[in-house]
Amino acid sequence: GQNIVQPTEMTATEGAIVQINCTYQTSGFNGLFWYQQHAGEAPTFLSYNVLDGLEEKGRFSSFLSRSKGYSYLLLKELQMKDSASYLCAVMDSNYQLIWGAGTKLIIKP
Amino acid sequence: ETGVTQTPRHLVMGMTNKKSLKCEQHLGHNAMYWYKQSAKKPLELMFVYNFKEQTENNSVPSRFSPECPNSSHLFLHLHTLQPEDSALYLCASSQDNSGANVLTFGAGSRLTVL
Repeated sequence: GQNIVQPTEMTATEGAIVQINCTYQTSGFNGLFWYQQHAGEAPTFLSYNVLDGLEEKGRFSSFLSRSKGYSYLLLKELQMKDSASYLCAVMDSNYQLIWGAGTKLIIKP
Repeated sequence: ETGVTQTPRHLVMGMTNKKSLKCEQHLGHNAMYWYKQSAKKPLELMFVYNFKEQTENNSVPSRFSPECPNSSHLFLHLHTLQPEDSALYLCASSQDNSGANVLTFGAGSRLTVL
């Protein structure tokens, strides 16, 4: 079966760095997405990786290793507003999105 | 404002009621989706419409009935729901249903079934 695994919850300190991991097993691969969802709000697109390597976008970076079925989202210089859930999703060979259950990130002062 | 608007934001209904959720987008997208989001579970895709045609129905019970009158509007009609149907229902849209398109989500309709 198809499966996405991410930690349920993580805690980090304001100003620090945090890495949220995502491992996947899917039927084929057509890219991996990260979305951010603040409580009570819509999920919003953060990044898309289809080739191996690191994509940097301001304080956020996303890494992909297709051979390892692994991605991570790196958040630097954490701010209180980064407290949210982070959703990992993989697009399989049929262009179906397979979602993880999300990682709730708690930022402490 | 995300570009995708869902109403109502909150809904409480009994198991014998009939209600509808509405989703509207003016992004010029041609694909629209209904997802169910339950606590600590992955998003569950329910229905997909591409150019107003239903292309996906992921074994959803018939008590959920989608309607897509045009590319900008999507409805989810609810009747004789069960308490386990209580969840956040998210609408999303994308350019179309082919390739790796980014989804734009609405803020969701929080449904409680008593």
